[in-house]
Amino acid sequence: DTEVTQTPKHLVMGMTNKKSLKCEQHMGHRAMYWYKQKAKKPPELMFVYSYEKLSINESVPSRFSPECPNSSLLNLHLHALQPEDSALYLCASSQFLILAGVVPTYEQYFGPGTRLTVT
Amino acid sequence: SQQGEEDPQALSIQEGENATMNCSYKTSINNLQWYRQNSGRGLVHLILIRSNEREKHSGRLRVTLDTSKKSSSLLITASRAADTASYFCATPITGANSKLTFGKGITLSVRP
Repeated sequence: DTEVTQTPKHLVMGMTNKKSLKCEQHMGHRAMYWYKQKAKKPPELMFVYSYEKLSINESVPSRFSPECPNSSLLNLHLHALQPEDSALYLCASSQFLILAGVVPTYEQYFGPGTRLTVT
Repeated sequence: SQQGEEDPQALSIQEGENATMNCSYKTSINNLQWYRQNSGRGLVHLILIRSNEREKHSGRLRVTLDTSKKSSSLLITASRAADTASYFCATPITGANSKLTFGKGITLSVRP
């Protein structure tokens, strides 16, 4: 199974709401990622988890709170978002191995994304 | 900061023609990856080429890598309308090899 699933597909939320995005993979990947993508732009990395620990936070505002409850699941908790946070949020996963102190880069498998609109 | 830059920004071709897209990058890499994204969907990994490889094939895709020129090309042969999508090259960040940086992307339109 090479699928990464994301729910919901679409989400409309007000600036005072709290919501969560969910991502799941069953490929045994130990690295999981959140990206934000604006229209006609490349994906921008937000967070990386490796072995369920947050390893990279790309200076993302605290209104975005990631969580990795286990090796298959990744959540992104949203609170007090701004209209400019409206975007496609993509989850991805990849292998994560350390070989002789080096972390090779593997291909990433992406979910279909959650289209978020903040009103 | 972005590492890869694709060229051209947009490409429109007739079905059956070949499409060539180029990517240039700035620093040394251990591999380069190409992804496709259909409108509003997630990215799909197409091919990964390592720094010690010069050419790689996958079906109708051919990727080349020239580390001396810091450039890569993606060739799609006998294009189909279904190849219409955005294409991104991606390279690892030096010192953080689990992290990719994506180029701005190329929009390919294949006319039936």
